[in-house]
Amino acid sequence: NAGVTQTPKFQVLKTGQSMTLQCAQDMNHEYMSWYRQDPGMGLRLIHYSVGAGITDQGEVPNGYNVSRSTTEDFPLRLLSAAPSQTSVYFCASRTIRGLAGDSYEQYFGPGTRLTVT
Amino acid sequence: EDKVVQSPLSLVVHEGDTVTLNCSYEVTNFRSLLWYKQEKKAPTFLFMLTSSGIEKKSGRLSSILDKKELFSILNITATQTGDSAIYLCAVRYTGNQFYFGTGTSLTVIP
Repeated sequence: NAGVTQTPKFQVLKTGQSMTLQCAQDMNHEYMSWYRQDPGMGLRLIHYSVGAGITDQGEVPNGYNVSRSTTEDFPLRLLSAAPSQTSVYFCASRTIRGLAGDSYEQYFGPGTRLTVT
Repeated sequence: EDKVVQSPLSLVVHEGDTVTLNCSYEVTNFRSLLWYKQEKKAPTFLFMLTSSGIEKKSGRLSSILDKKELFSILNITATQTGDSAIYLCAVRYTGNQFYFGTGTSLTVIP
């Protein structure tokens, strides 16, 4: 298993440009999520999904869109990049076993370092 | 306002030392608390805690939760250079959402 993969590893954008960060997992996990990690801020949840066709907002969703057309893929779209979106982005996934057996352990991808100038 | 605070922010110790990392929280609808280790890239899961007073152990690492005083500690005994990492605490407050602390950066010197 490759686990959770993210592309690209690094990206530089100009203000106003759009791009899509890719995330894929091969563990058949129902739950997938996107976080951003900024110095002094910890990881903050952007969007998440509990299955194909279902997405919801996290703590900091503004400026980002997501969709979940398959179980495996959960792309994150920046429609018009801003310098405030300079960050490291992590995708994560986990299985949903049900309340009794769920450890809520998330498997994280290697991250995408994005710089917006 | 909900928050998760970790202390200290950074720590430098010598191999063989024992360290205690702290995570305090003020979160409405607390469900569980998780610890992660983040080396160069992706965080990896260490423990999940839901009940007060029950210690979770994995080798030299252990963790315990106090839901009355709203904190958790992560202990690492006989530290090794491979323990050098950022340790993240996360509190689950709904079915699927987490607040993460800013992390404690641990450096273990040979």
